[in-house]
Amino acid sequence: GAVVSQHPSWVICKSGTSVKIECRSLDFQATTMFWYRQFPKQSLMLMATSNEGSKATYEQGVEKDKFLINHASLTLSTLTVTSAHPEDSSFYICSARDLGGNEAFFGQGTRLTVV
Amino acid sequence: SQKIEQNSEALNIQEGKTATLTCNYTNYSPAYLQWYRQDPGRGPVFLLLIRENEKEKRKERLKVTFDTTLKQSLFHITASQPADSATYLCALDDPTGFQKLVFGTGTRLLVSP
Repeated sequence: GAVVSQHPSWVICKSGTSVKIECRSLDFQATTMFWYRQFPKQSLMLMATSNEGSKATYEQGVEKDKFLINHASLTLSTLTVTSAHPEDSSFYICSARDLGGNEAFFGQGTRLTVV
Repeated sequence: SQKIEQNSEALNIQEGKTATLTCNYTNYSPAYLQWYRQDPGRGPVFLLLIRENEKEKRKERLKVTFDTTLKQSLFHITASQPADSATYLCALDDPTGFQKLVFGTGTRLLVSP
């Protein structure tokens, strides 16, 4: 199946700093990618839809100025958590769907810890 | 509003038995339904997709059923093994967005040796 690579797999940052997470589709082009957030023992919550060449679409309640999304190419989307606070600590996962199929392919996830 | 519900309590079974997980949904009319497996600290991995005109789908020890009248899907793992221990998520396409996938709450399966 298709491969989605996410980097870094974990990051610890100080409160007030910004963190960038990368999501790459390795063997297919993804005009649309998705960013999810997952708290312990909870399901994935969709944060935003990343659209290549245009603005991201954010889910209700997600601050677009805090979670900056850039999708500059057909294989790369980035999520930047700006001015991170301890409550932003979570597991962030990206995904993409190959247009030829219906299943979603997920990155390995990024464990963000803000101290 | 649209909802996807799975049993939030962990399912504990013995090795060799069949595990059955349930996914119920409301206010959806999906053309298909998907099941994913998620291990701790990892992204979900696709397992099976079943279409609305398919009653049952099989893949090795996995079997999925889809009842659009009951708005329910059942996910079975036969001859379960400790390596099957994971969280299993069902997912449906969100009609409000292109390619948007919405996940159920997930059910954690624990298979004891």
